[in-house]
Amino acid sequence: GAGVSQSPSNKVTEKGKDVELRCDPISGHTALYWYRQSLGQGLEFLIYFQGNSAPDKSGLPSDRFSAERTGGSVSTLTIQRTQQEDSAVYLCASSFDRTSSYEQYFGPGTRLTVT
Amino acid sequence: KNQVEQSPQSLIILEGKNCTLQCNYTVSPFSNLRWYKQDTGRGPVSLTIMTFSENTKSNGRYTATLDADTKQSSLHITASQLSDSASYICVVSFPSNDYKLSFGAGTTVTVRA
Repeated sequence: GAGVSQSPSNKVTEKGKDVELRCDPISGHTALYWYRQSLGQGLEFLIYFQGNSAPDKSGLPSDRFSAERTGGSVSTLTIQRTQQEDSAVYLCASSFDRTSSYEQYFGPGTRLTVT
Repeated sequence: KNQVEQSPQSLIILEGKNCTLQCNYTVSPFSNLRWYKQDTGRGPVSLTIMTFSENTKSNGRYTATLDADTKQSSLHITASQLSDSASYICVVSFPSNDYKLSFGAGTTVTVRA
């Protein structure tokens, strides 16, 4: 079956512009995660959605970052007034349920470059 | 300080040779420890998963070991192939917050013919 898909695969934007990154999780997966991967660093947790529960936004680095998940499926990560330090690969993952015993399946990521 | 440290940062090996990657973590106990393989331009894919009570797990030519006393895990790649060229990431999940994972920075392995 289809895996996690993300779009766009690459995004180049000018400093100060807003960007939207999209994630389509695996059908039937209730948990969805966003991570940021910067060069030479481990993946950094950003936000977590589980079903209809309130999302865990504790990893969002600033109020310029927000995310939503509509209908328990597709998710959009929005970065407002982008800065050069926002340049990174943004990865989305989904899992059948929330606990760590369930495998997280990752999408290919969106490479964001802020010029 | 990162809770998961990996070494070496990168290594180059010849096709057919073996190699071992190291992972040190600071927090225990944990729910499970995973090793992921991340090809360039792709998302990470799980290779092995071990619970706190396990000390070895294999997946084909990949064998992960765990020493809970020293808080170390290793990933051994046997008879390396060109397709093993990738970043290998050690990931630990903690019982107190089981959906949040702590990722190492990864070891980049390059296999040369």
